[in-house]
Amino acid sequence: DGGITQSPKYLFRKEGQNVTLSCEQNLNHDAMYWYRQDPGQGLRLIYYSQIVNDFQKGDIAEGYSVSREKKESFPLTVTSAQKNPTAFYLCASSSGTPTYEQYFGPGTRLTVT
Amino acid sequence: RKEVEQDPGPFNVPEGATVAFNCTYSNSASQSFFWYRQDCRKEPKLLMSVYSSGNEDGRFTAQLNRASQYISLLIRDSKLSDSATYLCVVRGATNKLIFGTGTLLAVQP
Repeated sequence: DGGITQSPKYLFRKEGQNVTLSCEQNLNHDAMYWYRQDPGQGLRLIYYSQIVNDFQKGDIAEGYSVSREKKESFPLTVTSAQKNPTAFYLCASSSGTPTYEQYFGPGTRLTVT
Repeated sequence: RKEVEQDPGPFNVPEGATVAFNCTYSNSASQSFFWYRQDCRKEPKLLMSVYSSGNEDGRFTAQLNRASQYISLLIRDSKLSDSATYLCVVRGATNKLIFGTGTLLAVQP
């Protein structure tokens, strides 16, 4: 089955620890995205990558880092510099033209205490 | 002003009712429009793209009014399973998607 996988579904960390969230897709999509969703708020773009070995900051990149070494994979690291890391993290991918529809993975719910 | 604005609801409707959601966007250069559905604590799923001519998929009809910069979604014959948050999404000039905060629909038996 084609799709996007994210792991783990739930993640608990202590303050001061870096944590890496996994995102893998087998849709052969060029573009991949990371969003954050907080209760009562819309999705906010953290980072995106339109091609392997290239990525750009989104609207709230501070405290996060990414890599795109393979087309299928776009891991997100939440660093200790992120002030409010507890959130629902969603990864998405898109084939791009012509419509730029994005398809989402099931998400990772991160809790930092 | 937010780039994409939606009435947060909730919209509480009985089964079988017709319900309409509206959404406005601020950037007249926006190029693609979508409705996504998000169930509680789940990921958003693409419901339908919105085309200039309007489009229909079963009980769902989407309309785009570029002159007034709004998008609508009509759901006919509501089912209990339609209960979810509906997200209005707009593709901006930079090809990034901009998400509204969503409208919560609760269909009552």
